Amino acid sequence: LAKTTQPISMDSYEGQEVNITCSHNNIATNDYITWYQQFPSQGPRFIIQGYKTKVTNEVASLFIPADRKSSTLSLPRVSLSDTAVYYCPGSGNTGKLIFGQGTTLQVKP
Amino acid sequence: DAGITQSPRYKITETGRQVTLMCHQTWSHSYMFWYRQDLGHGLRLIYYSAAADITDKGEVPDGYVVSRSKTENFPLTLESATRSQTSVYFCASRISGGATDTQYFGPGTRLTVL
Repeated sequence: LAKTTQPISMDSYEGQEVNITCSHNNIATNDYITWYQQFPSQGPRFIIQGYKTKVTNEVASLFIPADRKSSTLSLPRVSLSDTAVYYCPGSGNTGKLIFGQGTTLQVKP
Repeated sequence: DAGITQSPRYKITETGRQVTLMCHQTWSHSYMFWYRQDLGHGLRLIYYSAAADITDKGEVPDGYVVSRSKTENFPLTLESATRSQTSVYFCASRISGGATDTQYFGPGTRLTVL
């Protein structure tokens, strides 16, 4: 089972770029790296996924180095509404995802 | 299209009582999951199911029972509730166990055991 490691919490201010890094030390060759976002009182939701290099969508960018041992979720110009918990779950070979504590991002005005 | 729903959304029960949390998905996803979320522990996997009649333990299965007689339903039962099972419970589903498959979560059930 490939568990991941990420910071427990981060603080930022509105308008700043936020980068959250996740360690994927035991990632399997065929695993994709996926990030989820959870707002208070809601279930997590998918935000971005990649295999290697860089992926960008309307919400975030995801940077994955060649060795795939880490990934960095980048949120450009955050606002108060980006305050949430961000997860980079590890995966097992049985289709299950292990989420852990995630990174709590607090965006301040 | 309701997606994935959970019921009840809130439940208060007493120690020793049996409680069943319901989860229903309308997508015919093969995989379904139950997680609990507690401060300081994040999301922890309780049980999961790869298909109807196939279930397996996650990280914290003790005190819980699951069944999956139909693809769309995955109830979670606390046979004798304890205070330590006070938590927010999330159900989730995925189309399969594929590497790129997105996991979709329900809105959660907040359970309080007195």
